[in-house]
Amino acid sequence: ILNVEQSPQSLHVQEGDSTNFTCSFPSSNFYALHWYRWETAKSPEALFVMTLNGDEKKKGRISATLNTKEGYSYLYIKGSQPEDSATYLCASYHYGGSQGNLIFGKGTKLSVKP
Amino acid sequence: DADVTQTPRNRITKTGKRIMLECSQTKGHDRMYWYRQDPGLGLRLIYYSFDVKDINKGEISDGYSVSRQAQAKFSLSLESAIPNQTALYFCATSDFHGSTGELFFGEGSRLTVL
Repeated sequence: ILNVEQSPQSLHVQEGDSTNFTCSFPSSNFYALHWYRWETAKSPEALFVMTLNGDEKKKGRISATLNTKEGYSYLYIKGSQPEDSATYLCASYHYGGSQGNLIFGKGTKLSVKP
Repeated sequence: DADVTQTPRNRITKTGKRIMLECSQTKGHDRMYWYRQDPGLGLRLIYYSFDVKDINKGEISDGYSVSRQAQAKFSLSLESAIPNQTALYFCATSDFHGSTGELFFGEGSRLTVL
């Protein structure tokens, strides 16, 4: 069974700090990598979908990079704000996967203190 | 109104009872999914459907069944609920190119089995 690992599990930062976290995924038969933001009591919402090695995507203060050869993606948040507090999920999709769909990591829970 | 609607949002039931969770969507997507989320674990796929006549088991389908009544509706049933099925359940949709297309999640159905 394919495994997606996220680190750290949780992170506490002060408002204004920049932060980043990691998603590791199997590099074999890779097809796509998704990042989702999940606020408490809400539903997960997509941030980025990346497919190509070297992809970099940005949305406001949040950006992500993708390395498909070594099987990792970084999510960066510049100047964290309290409203960035959420769990960030990554998920990868691979050709020929037994489920044929996304495999999710356990998430990184970010808390930003004012 | 939400594009992906789940009912009920919360349900408490007893062991052995039959439970149905319903999902409807207005996004016009062909692909629909049921995921389960447990504390400390990632989202795990229960069942998915790529169109009305297509049903596929996911990673953890035992104890569950589904019905795709129409393009817009995908229901999850627990024929005889057991306590370890206590979890937060999410329905999600994606368009035809689901492997690169983002998932759109419902607001979740919290099920407690006593």
